[in-house]
Amino acid sequence: DTGVSQDPRHKITKRGQNVTFRCDPISEHNRLYWYRQTLGQGPEFLTYFQNEAQLEKSRLLSDRFSAERPKGSFSTLEIQRTEQGDSAMYLCASSLEQGRNYGYTFGSGTRLTVV
Amino acid sequence: LAKTTQPISMDSYEGQEVNITCSHNNIATNDYITWYQQFPSQGPRFIIQGYKTKVTNEVASLFIPADRKSSTLSLPRVSLSDTAVYYCLVAPNTGTASKLTFGTGTRLQVTL
Repeated sequence: DTGVSQDPRHKITKRGQNVTFRCDPISEHNRLYWYRQTLGQGPEFLTYFQNEAQLEKSRLLSDRFSAERPKGSFSTLEIQRTEQGDSAMYLCASSLEQGRNYGYTFGSGTRLTVV
Repeated sequence: LAKTTQPISMDSYEGQEVNITCSHNNIATNDYITWYQQFPSQGPRFIIQGYKTKVTNEVASLFIPADRKSSTLSLPRVSLSDTAVYYCLVAPNTGTASKLTFGTGTRLQVTL
């Protein structure tokens, strides 16, 4: 286990379709985060989990978005009824909650294009 | 969360030292300063973190003055491969912290 894996790397979908992304964090990391990044902007926080509990959701996360982390391992992010504005890079990160060395490890992201 | 301000872009020649300064005037007592690097089509990568004075690792140095209202990321002898976006973040480094908030970062362009 050398890092955070995201699947797929690229996804093209038609407007109105549902899409699901998967993230496999570093195995010993108990925190998992989802971010969204559009061109020229920094990553924007969407939601995060500690183990299987979803502890915070951004207001950016409309009711069309849902995230899960069953059993505190991998996570999925689903977008229902996609819109063109959903086109972005979706990044997953994980971290180990501890007092110091507070560093996230990011995956390479899933680039979503809604046509 | 403390707001950070950093230059939008910087240019450098290969072999030079690059210093990127970040302002964080309302940093809190329990906040740490963290820098990430992001290459195109990749997720950000943790570079360095510090609380005060100076921190150095194999990639960079981080200088933090006594008032902690700013910090400077120093990249020694940059190469073309250091061309990337660099993000300065300020957040508590404790178990109660929820998430990191990224700004737009500093786009560093290194040329020959």
